[in-house]
Amino acid sequence: QKEVEQDPGPLSVPEGAIVSLNCTYSNSAFQYFMWYRQYSRKGPELLMYTYSSGNKEDGRFTAQVDKSSKYISLFIRDSQPSDSATYLCAMSVNFGNEKLTFGTGTRLTIIP
Amino acid sequence: EADIYQTPRYLVIGTGKKITLECSQTMGHDKMYWYQQDPGMELHLIHYSYGVNSTEKGDLSSESTVSRIRTEHFPLTLESARPSHTSQYLCASSDRPMAGYTFGSGTRLTVV
Repeated sequence: QKEVEQDPGPLSVPEGAIVSLNCTYSNSAFQYFMWYRQYSRKGPELLMYTYSSGNKEDGRFTAQVDKSSKYISLFIRDSQPSDSATYLCAMSVNFGNEKLTFGTGTRLTIIP
Repeated sequence: EADIYQTPRYLVIGTGKKITLECSQTMGHDKMYWYQQDPGMELHLIHYSYGVNSTEKGDLSSESTVSRIRTEHFPLTLESARPSHTSQYLCASSDRPMAGYTFGSGTRLTVV
């Protein structure tokens, strides 16, 4: 069983919709959770970084962590065509241990 | 614009050839990583370094080797390329955990 499960999609939604992207994980030791965005033919770039359970908001993006359910989410409000990309969740055990475990990524397309 | 550079961007090479994938960063980061990314699959850590003269193998077994003689340079070498090495190779660096990784744009390797 993979440590991190993520639906690969593809997911297509109309412009302006709210997008929900999710990951589940099996290792209860994970404490640090990240979302990366990867455009075609580019490397991933960090979007959001959260610690433990709770919500974190940054503009149109909200990251949510539920450690009791081992479930994390990324919400995108007022989605734009420029949000079309692959979104990868990543997580690690220790603050100083930066060996990240990634999900497979969800390919998202926003339709104008 | 990312300050981490990978060359070449694309490489098609014959079986049995020796190849070196270059990765350089100008940010002075101590920590550097090599990940392998295949379509629909999660990123797998193949090598990492926490500083000059420090290299470790990652979670995914790899026939490649790395060196870290200078802080800014972290090349990956395949002594004898095989078709099973066909993949995208991503280099990344980090300093502060909360800043996440900075990724290069990747090298897409095809071994024929």
